[in-house]
Amino acid sequence: GENVEQHPSTLSVQEGDSAVIKCTYSDSASNYFPWYKQELGKGPQLIIDIRSNVGEKKDQRIAVTLNKTAKHFSLHITETQPEDSAVYFCAASIFTNAGKSTFGDGTTLTVKP
Amino acid sequence: EPEVTQTPSHQVTQMGQEVILRCVPISNHLYFYWYRQILGQKVEFLVSFYNNEISEKSEIFDDQFSVERPDGSNFTLKIRSTKLEDSAMYFCASSGRTGFANSPLHFGNGTRLTVT
Repeated sequence: GENVEQHPSTLSVQEGDSAVIKCTYSDSASNYFPWYKQELGKGPQLIIDIRSNVGEKKDQRIAVTLNKTAKHFSLHITETQPEDSAVYFCAASIFTNAGKSTFGDGTTLTVKP
Repeated sequence: EPEVTQTPSHQVTQMGQEVILRCVPISNHLYFYWYRQILGQKVEFLVSFYNNEISEKSEIFDDQFSVERPDGSNFTLKIRSTKLEDSAMYFCASSGRTGFANSPLHFGNGTRLTVT
């Protein structure tokens, strides 16, 4: 089955700096890669996703890049703000079965004011 | 924005007891899921449900677990005889606003199950 590894497990940045979280996956059949933000006491919330037919996707301050050959994808947050502080999860699945996602271990991001 | 709602937010039960976790998916969604997150660990897929039947389940989802959509709005997860290791946060999710499995997952805020 699919295995998703995520690094780092914790990340602390100063407000305004950029944050990068990296994930690798094992199953070459995976072609859908969502990123979730989980705030304390809440469920994961989709913030951005990418399909394997594109290499990069951007939405305001967040972007995701995908390297299919190397089987890794990354989340980039620019101009971080304190409200970006949360746990971020990457996930991998097959696009037509996106409900069955394999999650990474999560990254706790702390943005210091 | 429509939300997935889960009740209760926290459930405490004794080992061996049955529990039912309840979820109201987003209206008009067609695909329903349960995920589990043991404290400090990753979110794990349990089961997916479509057209009133299980479409896929993980190794975790053994005979102690069952799901049901008893009416047009609720989606439940039953654990028949709880074990200590069932203690976790259980998330319900739904997708398929347009009827396609590839639309994003919407998660509820979870039910924290504590088995003593």
